[in-house]
Amino acid sequence: EAGVAQSPRYKIIEKRQSVAFWCNPISGHATLYWYQQILGQGPKLLIQFQNNGVVDDSQLPKDRFSAERLKGVDSTLKIQPAKLEDSAVYLCASTGGGHTGELFFGEGSRLTVL
Amino acid sequence: AQSVTQPDIHITVSEGASLELRCNYSYGATPYLFWYVQSPGQGLQLLLKYFSGDTLVQGIKGFEAEFKRSQSSFNLRKPSVHWSDAAEYFCAVGPSGLVFGQGTRLTINP
Repeated sequence: EAGVAQSPRYKIIEKRQSVAFWCNPISGHATLYWYQQILGQGPKLLIQFQNNGVVDDSQLPKDRFSAERLKGVDSTLKIQPAKLEDSAVYLCASTGGGHTGELFFGEGSRLTVL
Repeated sequence: AQSVTQPDIHITVSEGASLELRCNYSYGATPYLFWYVQSPGQGLQLLLKYFSGDTLVQGIKGFEAEFKRSQSSFNLRKPSVHWSDAAEYFCAVGPSGLVFGQGTRLTINP
């Protein structure tokens, strides 16, 4: 079974530029999450999708971050304009049916903002 | 609001020694609790989880954890660590949209 796929693995941009990250969850997983992991910290939830609807985006900085999951499968997370403090690893995770809550994570996209 | 505290930022143990990583949580109902491990440059891998039943749960790689409701704790243990266990360990509370602790970095001395 293929895991959660993310791209790009690494991205370096200058502040005020824009960037987009892509995630393809495990086949059949209805719930998709984006987490931000700053160096030395635990992952912080940015947004949760159930199919193509947003369940929780309370911690998403909506003035600069946006995310979509148009067909209920792949998802894109965009940052525009980027700030220095956005340097982090962006992790995508998915989970299927049932109620155990286990998340399956991709390897992440590491963003460096200069 | 739910939260997780991992009091130890960095722990060093000798290979073959026993290990205990601490985790305290705050959650209004019966929590779903998880331990994940993250090796450098890798994603998070689930070690074990608890959501009901026996309070002592077994996981992969010889790890176990015990849920203690009275102490709001879910500590991770391993009787004898191997050099390959060196990694970052995260405790998380659910059931949905997991909240993670800040992590404990484990270093193994040969």
